[in-house]
Formats: sequence, C-alpha cells, structure tokens
Amino acid sequence: DQQVKQNSPSLSVQEGRISILNCDYTNSMFDYFLWYKKYPAEGPTFLISISSIKDKNEDGRFTVFLNKSAKHLSLHIVPSQPGDSAVYFCAASSGGYQKVTFGTGTKLQVIP
Amino acid sequence: KAGVTQTPRYLIKTRGQQVTLSCSPISGHRSVSWYQQTPGQGLQFLFEYFSETQRNKGNFPGRFSGRQFSNSRSEMNVSTLELGDSALYLCASSSGTAGTEAFFGQGTRLTVV
Repeated sequence: DQQVKQNSPSLSVQEGRISILNCDYTNSMFDYFLWYKKYPAEGPTFLISISSIKDKNEDGRFTVFLNKSAKHLSLHIVPSQPGDSAVYFCAASSGGYQKVTFGTGTKLQVIP
Repeated sequence: KAGVTQTPRYLIKTRGQQVTLSCSPISGHRSVSWYQQTPGQGLQFLFEYFSETQRNKGNFPGRFSGRQFSNSRSEMNVSTLELGDSALYLCASSSGTAGTEAFFGQGTRLTVV
C-alpha cells in the first residue's frame, strides 16, 4: 500500500523554466511533508518541508504547496537549473514521530 | 559538524550469510532511521531508534533487525540473506523532535550473490 505516490517517474524541463513535481498521499494522519533531492551514489538531501497547518512554504527557488483537501502537494522550482537534475522524493510523517514514508521518486532532468 | 557516516560503503555477501551495517549519526542526534532503497520502490522504511529504543518499525521480515547504542550509533543486521536483499541501505539521523528533517548518510550498497 503506497501511502505516498509520485505518479511521474521522470520529468524533463528546459533551463530557466518552471519545474513542477507532484505528490499525492492517502493517509489523512500525515501532518508533516518533506521533499528530498538525491544524486546518484549519494544519500538524499533535505530540500524543503511544510507543516499541515500551512499551505505554502518558500525557500529561494523552491516552493512547496500543500492542498490538504485533495491530499496533494507539489514542489515548484523556478527557475530550473541544470544542477537541479536529480531524483526528487516526496515524504510524509505523522504524529510527531520519525517514521517517514517516502514516495518512489521523480527523476528531474533540466536541459541546458 | 560531521555528517552521518555509514560503513561499509559497499558489501558483497553470499545468500544465507548475515550482514551488519553501521551508522554514526550527527553529534547530538538521538534518532536513527534505516531505509532500504531498491529500483522502482523508492525508500522503504525499516525502523527507527530513539535513545536506544526501537520507536517505529516498517513492514520487513524479522530477518531485519537493529539496535542503537548509548552513543546513538546504530547497527542494522540482516540474517539469512536473500538475493532480493540487494539494495542501497540508508541511515538517517535527526534530533527526534516532531517536524524536524532527517539527514542521510551516503548509504551502504549491499549486493547478495
């Protein structure tokens, strides 16, 4: 039972354009959401997070939007840069514990 | 501040053997979580330890076990290895407080032949 779903395994975007990565979840108990970025042969790196009491969080070029009624969140990267090419994982947790459930990842390729 | 250190980085084992992986968290972090990453499956949660106690557990068979020491270092053990256990095993450390992100190590690439 995949509680966190990233339905697009890959995404290609031109440099300078917006990248939008989507994530859906099924567990209504999730109250904290995170995005991680992963390069090959490295561990995931934390990117940005959002609490369920918010609907938007921004950090530089990265913005995460949360739509609780739709159980959907998205990560916007503007403008996209070639160095952003990586696998992006959406993750969620509940109840204050550290059992974080990850999605299967979306491979982003930013084309120069 | 040193990051999360996992050893060894690479490991090749034979079916039926057992293996122990080690993780040293960031200094001051009391929570250590373990994940298995396989192609197409994303990161699957194995278990989380906090102050030497297993606080959360994923849906893995009992062949997968772990422990945490008083210095927060953690080990993961897999017994009776199967070919399907070949994966990247990632360890993540955090303060253990709600709403804080975890920091990952580079992982241990386990290959079972």
